[in-house]
Amino acid sequence: QKEVEQNSGPLSVPEGAIASLNCTYSDRGSQSFFWYRQYSGKSPELIMFIYSNGDKEDGRFTAQLNKASQYVSLLIRDSQPSDSATYLCAVSGTYKYIFGTGTRLKVLA
Amino acid sequence: DVKVTQSSRYLVKRTGEKVFLECVQDMDHENMFWYRQDPGLGLRLIYFSYDVKMKEKGDIPEGYSVSREKKERFSLILESASTNQTSMYLCASNHPGGSSYEQYFGPGTRLTVT
Repeated sequence: QKEVEQNSGPLSVPEGAIASLNCTYSDRGSQSFFWYRQYSGKSPELIMFIYSNGDKEDGRFTAQLNKASQYVSLLIRDSQPSDSATYLCAVSGTYKYIFGTGTRLKVLA
Repeated sequence: DVKVTQSSRYLVKRTGEKVFLECVQDMDHENMFWYRQDPGLGLRLIYFSYDVKMKEKGDIPEGYSVSREKKERFSLILESASTNQTSMYLCASNHPGGSSYEQYFGPGTRLTVT
């Protein structure tokens, strides 16, 4: 069983719509949760991080964490073509991070 | 602004060669990491280091070694390159205090072993 699971996609949404990206994890002791965006041929860059249950908003992005269900999600409002990328979910323990394989998002103009 | 640099963006080596990949960060981070990224497999941790001269194996250390002689520099060594080590290699670093802090990634080195 993979430790961090994401649907590989592609997830296609029209411009202006809400994109919803999901991630589940297996280690209940995980403390911190991150969403990275990775454009093709580039390295990952941090979009959001969340530590506590509930929602965290930053501009068009909202991260949601439910530790009881071991589920973390990323909502992107008013999706733009420039949001087209692969989104990586990462979960951390003491030192190590475990990354999901990523969900490819395509925003259609 | 945090900066993580890697010695090469693209590298082509022959099977059996010894390969050095260098990573340098300028933010005084104590933790440094080496990953490889392959399609469908995501980012996999090869080695990490939480202090100078300290190293810990990640999930896929076989065929690799590392060196951390200075705080800002973390090197990945492929002792005898093989074709299955063709991959994108990413270095990262983060703030002392463990994994509650984001990792900052370098631009990556795309290594091809022929």
